[in-house]
Amino acid sequence: QKEVEQDPGPLSVPEGAIVSLNCTYSNSAFQYFMWYRQYSRKGPELLMYTYSSGNKEDGRFTAQVDKSSKYISLFIRDSQPSDSATYLCASGGSQGNLIFGKGTKLSVKP
Amino acid sequence: GAVVSQHPSWVICKSGTSVKIECRSLDFQATTMFWYRQFPKQSLMLMATSNEGSKATYEQGVEKDKFLINHASLTLSTLTVTSAHPEDSSFYICSARIGLGEKLFFGSGTQLSVL
Repeated sequence: QKEVEQDPGPLSVPEGAIVSLNCTYSNSAFQYFMWYRQYSRKGPELLMYTYSSGNKEDGRFTAQVDKSSKYISLFIRDSQPSDSATYLCASGGSQGNLIFGKGTKLSVKP
Repeated sequence: GAVVSQHPSWVICKSGTSVKIECRSLDFQATTMFWYRQFPKQSLMLMATSNEGSKATYEQGVEKDKFLINHASLTLSTLTVTSAHPEDSSFYICSARIGLGEKLFFGSGTQLSVL
């Protein structure tokens, strides 16, 4: 079992839809959770950073962490064509490096 | 967020030559920097972890004599692809963090094409 699992998609939605992206992780020691957005041929850009459980909101983006089920989510409201990218989740503990999911490719159609 | 600058953004070289890629943290001191490789439509593949002033730790299957990593200061790490061959053509990305559990920031990547 990989430490961080993420459905690669692709996921295609119409403009304005709510997008739900999800990952699961296996290591209960993980405390840090991040979401990155990567456009083609660019480096990943940090979108959300969460420590421990709970929700975090930033504009149209909401990150959720449920440590009891080892489940992390990213919600995008009012999705735009410019949100089309690959989204990477990442988790880690205080003693090790971040472990990345494989990324979910999202396409938002106008 | 913090800025990580990576240069060059693309490079084309002849087979057998060496190529150096630089990664700089512009507004913070990075105790640890990471180097990744990414093939088209594939996820990030961690190549090595480097801590300032010490030897890099390479992931299994990554040739340390082929991919030389130097982390001479808290703001600069370099990756040198030695005697490059066409199979080394790939997208290389660096990242940096201040400390364990801290946010990880990425450079913009370098597309290497070996002819």
